[in-house]
Amino acid sequence: QSALTQPASVSGSPGQSITISCTETRSDVGGYNFVSWYQQHPGKAPKLMIYDVSDRPSGISNRFSGSKSGNTASLTISGLQADDEADYYCSSYTGYSVVFGGGTKLTVL
Amino acid sequence: QVQLQESGPGLVKPSETLSLTCSVSGYSISSGYYWGWIRLPPGKGLDWIGNIFHSGSIYYNPSLRSRVTISADTSKNQLYLKVTSLTAADTAVYYCARLTSRLGNAFDIWGQGTVVTVSS
Repeated sequence: QSALTQPASVSGSPGQSITISCTETRSDVGGYNFVSWYQQHPGKAPKLMIYDVSDRPSGISNRFSGSKSGNTASLTISGLQADDEADYYCSSYTGYSVVFGGGTKLTVL
Repeated sequence: QVQLQESGPGLVKPSETLSLTCSVSGYSISSGYYWGWIRLPPGKGLDWIGNIFHSGSIYYNPSLRSRVTISADTSKNQLYLKVTSLTAADTAVYYCARLTSRLGNAFDIWGQGTVVTVSS
């Protein structure tokens, strides 16, 4: 099973942009294309922000964008707002299994 | 509008078995989609437990497979999770969620979660 590594924390000031990385390591060669990102505020359920690496579900602000290069996927949040302060998790779906990254705490300064 | 609602005992003793229910409204689970269980231990990250497909196929996290059972009752439109041989490490918020291939096999709808504490 693969593992997804995220930085423990990132921070930025209102209006700035930040990027959270998610690096996949696996023992076998396979797809790493079903990448999604979730936002979770304290005490709330996770919320899907990005799917299929770079697509946004209906209703998600275009300030959130996703990309992937090689084995590293990234979530970029532009025009940081106070409400963006939350935990962010990347996830991959491969071979009927789901893996989550360890999560990144975003602090808006 | 599809909604998921978890329910369970809240507090369970070490070595006992945890049983949770996820009640689905607004959609018949036998009609399609995959349905999953995920947990969030305090101070840690999300941990995938397993998925059950509408066809009945079930897939588990290899690290939990020996202690976990996922099932469904389509007549009640409910999903179930059982975890045996509980330890303090199983203390977590447990969520059920819908996984959709339409959105890249991501979990698009989540329940509010139910807190489970393992303690004597």
